[in-house]
Amino acid sequence: DVKVTQSSRYLVKRTGEKVFLECVQDMDHENMFWYRQDPGLGLRLIYFSYDVKMKEKGDIPEGYSVSREKKERFSLILESASTNQTSMYLCASSLRGFLSGANVLTFGAGSRLTVL
Amino acid sequence: AQSVSQHNHHVILSEAASLELGCNYSYGGTVNLFWYVQYPGQHLQLLLKYFSGDPLVKGIKGFEAEFIKSKFSFNLRKPSVQWSDTAEYFCAGKKLQTGANNLFFGTGTRLTVIP
Repeated sequence: DVKVTQSSRYLVKRTGEKVFLECVQDMDHENMFWYRQDPGLGLRLIYFSYDVKMKEKGDIPEGYSVSREKKERFSLILESASTNQTSMYLCASSLRGFLSGANVLTFGAGSRLTVL
Repeated sequence: AQSVSQHNHHVILSEAASLELGCNYSYGGTVNLFWYVQYPGQHLQLLLKYFSGDPLVKGIKGFEAEFIKSKFSFNLRKPSVQWSDTAEYFCAGKKLQTGANNLFFGTGTRLTVIP
């Protein structure tokens, strides 16, 4: 019954390393999102994508990039990891459009990244 | 700008107590509002949602929320909490007819239920 899968639950990286976080969904959703979750700050949107090869910046895109080469896969890339990027990263997907149902997000289990 | 605020950061209740978690959103017009829950060690899941119609919406596990347009509020309620309700609760919302489908989340409320 898994619908949004994040490839890594826990990662430990060193400052300056390049980090890839992968997310795959099997619901044929057009929209995919990357959030980071920090205590006391809730969920903040990093990037989202509404179609293959399309991306839009969210609220905190600095230090991150994304890739969406296939509809089901959305990757988050940290070009040069820093300690302030230590966080829980959540991937989500949803249908596209302006209908109410398009706003229901399905989340993955999260990837906890620690940057030393 | 759209925003969602949750004023309770940490709520501690005894089992069987009644629960009300506050949520306010900053925009008028037609909105979609949600409550998501994250149980310890688990992923975020939808608790309930409001799209239109009856302002009192019921979700899973006995939760309900009331959309009060005049107060820009969407508070979450449960008449009698259980230990298993210990979790973090996030309110989220979006104004319809605006761009892409990203939701705006509140900062979350951690609920601890003492047996």
